[in-house]
Amino acid sequence: DVVMTQSPLSLPVTLGQPASISCSSSQSLLSSDGNTYLNWYQQRPGQSPRRLIYRVSKRDSGVPDRFSGSGTGTDFTLKISSVEAEDVGFYYCMQGTLWPPFTFGPGTKVSIK
Amino acid sequence: EVRLVESGGGLVKPGESLRLSCEVFGFPFATAWLSWVRLAPGKGLEWVGRSKSKNDGGEINYAAPVKDRFIISRDDSKNTMFLQLNSLKTEDTAVYYCTTDPLWTAGDYWGQGTLVTVSS
Repeated sequence: DVVMTQSPLSLPVTLGQPASISCSSSQSLLSSDGNTYLNWYQQRPGQSPRRLIYRVSKRDSGVPDRFSGSGTGTDFTLKISSVEAEDVGFYYCMQGTLWPPFTFGPGTKVSIK
Repeated sequence: EVRLVESGGGLVKPGESLRLSCEVFGFPFATAWLSWVRLAPGKGLEWVGRSKSKNDGGEINYAAPVKDRFIISRDDSKNTMFLQLNSLKTEDTAVYYCTTDPLWTAGDYWGQGTLVTVSS
């Protein structure tokens, strides 16, 4: 199975400042169809998860444009250009290229300093 | 409005069984690929299994920790997907979510989750 790792696991940030989370996979996520199936999810306290980004960099409907995704192969990044209070929670990357299973990273806890 | 509504969670003893339901509103269930994902206390998200639509072959896949114990099924006439949890272990304690397919590009929808607690 593909192993997903994330860093940092805890990220205290100052409101209005940028934040960045890294995600690495144990194998390349470039699919034979040319797509890279790497998603990012947010789970706010007390809420269900929601997908922010799919296929590395495509934002889901309703996701603020301060969230962006990038990367290729085995290394990916989620960036928040200017952190807001509502961004507090856990963030997970997930690979969907080499399934089953779909595998999530361990999660990064974003908090406000 | 698209909604996914889980039900059926509860407190059970190790070795017992439980059946979770996920009723889908607002989009064509018969063509939907759906997954179960769980969140155990103090842990991260874990994919449990996936059901493709019958139109697309009806394939069902499971994560290794639940394979041979959990069974996913669906009733298209009731717009409902089920997760039968058998031979439950304490480590199966989690909030179980149903969700649209992680690879679906047309949207992302999750239920509110249902809590399963396995404890003696």
